[in-house]
This record gives sequence, structure tokens and C-alpha cells, in this order.
Amino acid sequence: DAKTTQPPSMDCAEGRAANLPCNHSTISGNEYVYWYRQIHSQGPQYIIHGLKNNETNEMASLIITEDRKSSTLILPHATLRDTAVYYCIVRGPNTGNQFYFGTGTSLTVIP
Amino acid sequence: ETGVTQSPTHLIKTRGQQVTLRCSSQSGHNTVSWYQQALGQGPQFIFQYYREEENGRGNFPPRFSGLQFPNYSSELNVNALELDDSALYLCASSLVGGQYNSPLHFGNGTRLTVT
Repeated sequence: DAKTTQPPSMDCAEGRAANLPCNHSTISGNEYVYWYRQIHSQGPQYIIHGLKNNETNEMASLIITEDRKSSTLILPHATLRDTAVYYCIVRGPNTGNQFYFGTGTSLTVIP
Repeated sequence: ETGVTQSPTHLIKTRGQQVTLRCSSQSGHNTVSWYQQALGQGPQFIFQYYREEENGRGNFPPRFSGLQFPNYSSELNVNALELDDSALYLCASSLVGGQYNSPLHFGNGTRLTVT
């Protein structure tokens, strides 16, 4: 299954949109892109996932490029509580629940 | 809807001892997975259980073992504890046999310290 590449850290001003990129250039056609975040000392929290169409829920939007080799998680109005490590994960039929988390992006929302 | 719950939240053990960690799956979920997260790293997959049988395992030695019960709750057992086993242990559950478009939902973990 495909692995992902994310920047190690990012800053975002409170109230502005946070755009977190992820590269998954070896993704297969039947693999989904998942996003989780982990606030210090808590378990990973599911945010959103998608296959090829853009997705939006109450937490975030997921934009997947047409070639599916990269995606962007958008937090439209970042708050201090969005400070966390964000993980982009690719998951397919051969993955099951075996997620490869990598090291993620540490997002700091600045007042 | 009850989320994934884990017990205990913190635990201190001595090298060479054995430990059992417990997990209650989210309501309606029948697949459970366990992850180990060392300090400063992302979670690493240990194994998963479906229908009370292990059906996937990561790169962990046999002294890491598990059980899943008919009510879908689960245990992680670690024998002959080593100092490097100190970590946050996370349990995650999902719906309907781990289909790959069904999100995993995680508990807040058990912090194990081995001295």
C-alpha cells in the first residue's frame, strides 16, 4: 500500500484557514485517503476520508487532486484547539486496519 | 453512542513482568486493532481481531498477544516486558469486518511505563 509524505510542521494564525498537504504518489485506484489528528496525550481522532471526490464534513474539507497523487486537508477557520499532529493515511483492501501513520504534520495555531 | 474505552489509563510495570490491557469497542463495531505509540512517533500497528481471531499482525514478537471476546471487547497481553515496551497503547474499533472505507475509531490509550 502507498505511503504518504507530509511536512513535519506548520503554523497557522487563529481564524485563518489551515491547509495541510499530503503526497501519496503511489496510491492505487481503490485506496482511500484518510486524515486523523492527535492532540497531545489523546488517541487519534478521525477527521475525514475520501476516494477521488472532494469531501466536506463539519470538521474539515478534503481536496484530492485529479490524478489522486496528492491531497489537502482544509480546516476553514482554525482555532487554538486545532493545534495537533495531523496524519494522512492511505488505506486499501489489502490494508485492513493496518494504518501506516508516519510522523504526520505538527500544526500550531497561533493566537 | 459509546466510544472506544480503554483501561487502565496509566500503568507502571517492572521489566520481566506481564501486563494485560483492556478495550471496549465502540457500539456496533466488531473489529478491533491495537497500536503501540512510542514517544514522539506515530502509532504502529500491532495486530487486529475479527470474529475472535487474529487476522493481521504487524512487526511485533509473539510475546505480544491478544484476545477478542464475543461482546467484541478485547485484551492486549505483553509477556516478559522490556524497557522499550514503554509506550502509549491504543485500541481502535471499526464496523463490519474492517472494510477499508469504514473509519477506525480510537480510544485514548493506556500509558505503560516499564522500569
